[in-house]
Amino acid sequence: IAGITQAPTSQILAAGRRMTLRCTQDMRHNAMYWYRQDLGLGLRLIHYSNTAGTTGKGEVPDGYSVSRANTDDFPLTLASAVPSQTSVYFCASRDTDKNTEAFFGQGTRLTVV
Amino acid sequence: KNQVEQSPQSLIILEGKNCTLQCNYTVSPFSNLRWYKQDTGRGPVSLTIMTFSENTKSNGRYTATLDADTKQSSLHITASQLSDSASYICVVSVRRYGGATNKLIFGTGTLLAVQP
Repeated sequence: IAGITQAPTSQILAAGRRMTLRCTQDMRHNAMYWYRQDLGLGLRLIHYSNTAGTTGKGEVPDGYSVSRANTDDFPLTLASAVPSQTSVYFCASRDTDKNTEAFFGQGTRLTVV
Repeated sequence: KNQVEQSPQSLIILEGKNCTLQCNYTVSPFSNLRWYKQDTGRGPVSLTIMTFSENTKSNGRYTATLDADTKQSSLHITASQLSDSASYICVVSVRRYGGATNKLIFGTGTLLAVQP
């Protein structure tokens, strides 16, 4: 693994189903983020984690949950998907101590039907 | 309210031509400003970072400027190539104190199409 990886790349999900989007980074970055990107709205922060063991709510957290059991992994869970959660989801990580840029995964395109 | 606005929303230029993208922000206190390039179907990738004391910075054919007084930044692309077709996103970092992590404010991006 080089950088930050998301899985799956795309998914079609029935409304009401549970879904976990995976995100893994190998850069030992302390901070990780989940964003959703919708046409005309730009990237909006869902949840973040400044360090392993801690998480926080972003701009649009409702309907989503996250966990940060270790430095490398930051899964995003939709407990009961709704059509408004159709979006492209990006995971990102950065080293806030060194104030580096945010490195983004390739994205997960999720369609809730 | 911390906001980042970009213009134009979209732009079409011919290969070889130059173009300039604009970013206006109302973020305070300001930490830094980054320009990201996002290719279709990919995640954003950082092009440049501008801090408060920097007026201009280049990365190959990309040159970013920052006017901290007017809270404006621009990204100038010289001799455009087909591979420059992408969305360009301006991201401003809000400085936080007391050990809190800086917050990132994203613009909605400028979609650039370079045609042969």
